[in-house]
Amino acid sequence: DARVTQTPRHKVTEMGQEVTMRCQPILGHNTVFWYRQTMMQGLELLAYFRNRAPLDDSGMPKDRFSAEMPDATLATLKIQPSEPRDSAVYFCASGPTFFGNDTQYFGPGTRLTVL
Amino acid sequence: KNQVEQSPQSLIILEGKNCTLQCNYTVSPFSNLRWYKQDTGRGPVSLTIMTFSENTKSNGRYTATLDADTKQSSLHITASQLSDSASYICVVSAGTGNQFYFGTGTSLTVIP
Repeated sequence: DARVTQTPRHKVTEMGQEVTMRCQPILGHNTVFWYRQTMMQGLELLAYFRNRAPLDDSGMPKDRFSAEMPDATLATLKIQPSEPRDSAVYFCASGPTFFGNDTQYFGPGTRLTVL
Repeated sequence: KNQVEQSPQSLIILEGKNCTLQCNYTVSPFSNLRWYKQDTGRGPVSLTIMTFSENTKSNGRYTATLDADTKQSSLHITASQLSDSASYICVVSAGTGNQFYFGTGTSLTVIP
């Protein structure tokens, strides 16, 4: 049963610390998305990749956030330095081909708390 | 302004009853509309994806409708079960499908 995996599942850190979240997309999927979800804002798209190349990261605060796909089996989202307002659940999702009408498969999320 | 609004914000129904959730959007140019189910503490799961030319799509007891003229969609749940308790999120894509606009979701609780 193929699924998207994310690590860590939970992360508590102090303001100013670096946070790295990892995602393993479903094998063979070539589109990867990073989302953030909060009670106040709901679901937001931060960035997405196609064939490991970043296509759009306009939803991401560039001064502190960075997203990369070092290889086809790993996507990372990094926050440096972290701030309390970054507290949220971060989801990774992957899609098989052209993402326009494709189903996106979400991981279980990383719950981040910044104190 | 591109927006997606869902109603009601929350809903409580008895097990076995039907219900309908609404999604109104002002997104343009429209590409597709997705309904997701999100259980507490889990990632969203895709229920349906509808393009401009589709006006109804079913996935088991879930049936989504789309009226592209009025820019409205609904998700109808038939014979609800306790496991249907979740948040239901409507997402509308614009352009070539690479711009996403999210509703804030409807929280559904099914009680025995």
